[in-house]
Amino acid sequence: EVQLVESGGGLVQPGGSLRLSCAASGFTFSSYAMHWVRQAPGKGLEYVSAISSNGGSTYYANSVKGRFTISRDNSKNTLYLQMGSLRAEDMAVYYCAREGDGDYVAFDIWGQGTMVTVSS
Amino acid sequence: DIQMTQSPSSLSASVGDRVTITCRASQSISSYLNWYQQKPGKAPKLLIYAASSLQSGVPSRFSGSGSGTDFTLTISSLQPEDFATYYCQQSYSTPPAFGQGTKLEIK
Repeated sequence: EVQLVESGGGLVQPGGSLRLSCAASGFTFSSYAMHWVRQAPGKGLEYVSAISSNGGSTYYANSVKGRFTISRDNSKNTLYLQMGSLRAEDMAVYYCAREGDGDYVAFDIWGQGTMVTVSS
Repeated sequence: DIQMTQSPSSLSASVGDRVTITCRASQSISSYLNWYQQKPGKAPKLLIYAASSLQSGVPSRFSGSGSGTDFTLTISSLQPEDFATYYCQQSYSTPPAFGQGTKLEIK
C-alpha cells in the first residue's frame, strides 16, 4: 500500500524547535519530489515547502523562509521538516504530500497529518 | 505569486443536486489546475488534475473544466459522502497556491 506517515508533532514554546518526519512506503520514494502543506485550526491549506527527488533543490514559502529546513533521506525513505523560531502562527496540522508523475504537478498521496501546537 | 480565489466560500445543497464550484486565478495558468476534497479531520484527496483529468478511483460524477484563469468543479448528482470542503490549487508556478476553500453543506 502506498502510504505516508507523519510524526514528530507536539507542543512547543514560542521560539522553540521541532523536527517533523514523514515515512514513505509502497513506492520508490527516491523518484518523487515531496512537499509540506499546513492547515491552521479551522483554516484553509497553506503551502510550506518542497524538495526535489534527489534533495538538490528546495523551496520555502516566505512565511517560513529562514526558519524551516526541508530535507530527505532516500536511504531511509523519509522526508523531514526542521522547524525553528516557532511562532503562534505556525500552529497547524502539517501534511506531507507526494508530487505525482507527469507534466502536471499534483499532490496525489498525502499523509494523515501531525499537529504542531505553539504555546507557552 | 499567483493568487487563487474560489466562489462561493460555502454552499448548501441537497442529495441529488448538481453543484458547481468556481476557481479563478490571478493570471493565466493554462490548464495547471487541481481540485482536492477534504473531509473533517482527514487529509485532502486529489480529485481532478490538469483542470479536467479525473484521478484514478474518483467517481465519474466529479468533473472539471476551464483553462486560462477560470475553472469549475462540477458534481453532477450529490451523494451523502460528497459533503466536504473543496480546494483548487494552481500548479503553473511555484508556490503551488491553494484557493481558500468551498465548504459544501447539506441543505
